[in-house]
Amino acid sequence: DAKTTQPNSMESNEEEPVHLPCNHSTISGTDYIHWYRQLPSQGPEYVIHGLTSNVNNRMASLAIAEDRKSSTLILHRATLRDAAVYYCILRRGGSEKLVFGKGTKLTVNP
Amino acid sequence: DGGITQSPKYLFRKEGQNVTLSCEQNLNHDAMYWYRQDPGQGLRLIYYSQIVNDFQKGDIAEGYSVSREKKESFPLTVTSAQKNPTAFYLCASSKTRQLTYEQYFGPGTRLTVT
Repeated sequence: DAKTTQPNSMESNEEEPVHLPCNHSTISGTDYIHWYRQLPSQGPEYVIHGLTSNVNNRMASLAIAEDRKSSTLILHRATLRDAAVYYCILRRGGSEKLVFGKGTKLTVNP
Repeated sequence: DGGITQSPKYLFRKEGQNVTLSCEQNLNHDAMYWYRQDPGQGLRLIYYSQIVNDFQKGDIAEGYSVSREKKESFPLTVTSAQKNPTAFYLCASSKTRQLTYEQYFGPGTRLTVT
């Protein structure tokens, strides 16, 4: 499985934008980039996914580098409820697996 | 409301006992999954099932067993053969196995074995 690299932790202030980076230099052409987040003591929650083009939804935006070796999850205005561990995951063609790394723990300061 | 339920939220067992964790979904999803999470770690896949009466091993299936007799239900049994059963167990489902379909997770069951 292709590997992703994320910072262990990041901090943000409430109502400011947050850019969460993810490196995936060994990504293959059929790998989709998925982002999930997990609040304390809860199951993960789907955030967004993409293949090549940037994507937007009501929760966040996903910016994918042209060479696809990195991506950035953008929370446009962080709230206290966005404090969570964010996982960047590559889902390979034909694989059932979502391979979770340790993710980035986001702290949002009031 | 549609969703995934796992029960109980907390479970305590003595070493050497088998224990079954419940997972039910009313989302009409075909695929279901079981993950294990240890403190400070990401999730690891135990078993998954794409259709009724069929399931496959994930990365850490040893010491676990599952069944899929109904589309809505995918119970996980933690057997006495599992060496370190204490963990947070998460069940998930998705519409199909296609790459783009997100997985929906239940609230989890925290199992403590002493």
